[in-house]
Amino acid sequence: EDQVTQSPEALRLQEGESSSLNCSYTVSGLRGLFWYRQDPGKGPEFLFTLYSAGEEKEKERLKATLTKKESFLHITAPKPEDSATYLCAVQDRGAQKLVFGQGTRLTINP
Amino acid sequence: KAGVTQTPRYLIKTRGQQVTLSCSPISGHRSVSWYQQTPGQGLQFLFEYFSETQRNKGNFPGRFSGRQFSNSRSEMNVSTLELGDSALYLCASSTGPGVGETQYFGPGTRLLVL
Repeated sequence: EDQVTQSPEALRLQEGESSSLNCSYTVSGLRGLFWYRQDPGKGPEFLFTLYSAGEEKEKERLKATLTKKESFLHITAPKPEDSATYLCAVQDRGAQKLVFGQGTRLTINP
Repeated sequence: KAGVTQTPRYLIKTRGQQVTLSCSPISGHRSVSWYQQTPGQGLQFLFEYFSETQRNKGNFPGRFSGRQFSNSRSEMNVSTLELGDSALYLCASSTGPGVGETQYFGPGTRLLVL
């Protein structure tokens, strides 16, 4: 059964303090690994898709990387508006559904 | 391009009632998936539709059902509501069930069962 574990559950940083969020996964055949951002009361907002180990993608202050067992979301010099819950999900080759982790709740203090 | 829209945004029902939620995908998207989000269980897959056919179903009781219309719009229905059905119901659309197709989510319908 596909499994996704995210750590830490919650992270509080000062503005400008860089850090990384972890997503460990178990899947029989990886079709894609997805990162989403979710603000309170809203639906998840798509950030990145990674398909194979070694792949990296960047967007503004965010950079996602992928290995055969885990993915990292690196946040460089974060701002208060980066505060949100970050969700990681995997898609197995056998199915369309996404299997989500529990998310990391990130708070950036000014 | 307009995003995924869901109606209604909020609902309050009582136990035993039934509810129907609606989802309009992004224009051109033909695949629609539904997810339930609760604080305890997180985001869990309900079902997926493509070309009016249910392709996959998650581990939910038969009280949860859905359908897709020829214009790709989708509805989900929950009958005989229970307190535990209180959740945020999210719809996501993609162009189709291709390799690594990105799913784009709507704002969700917040259901409260009293």
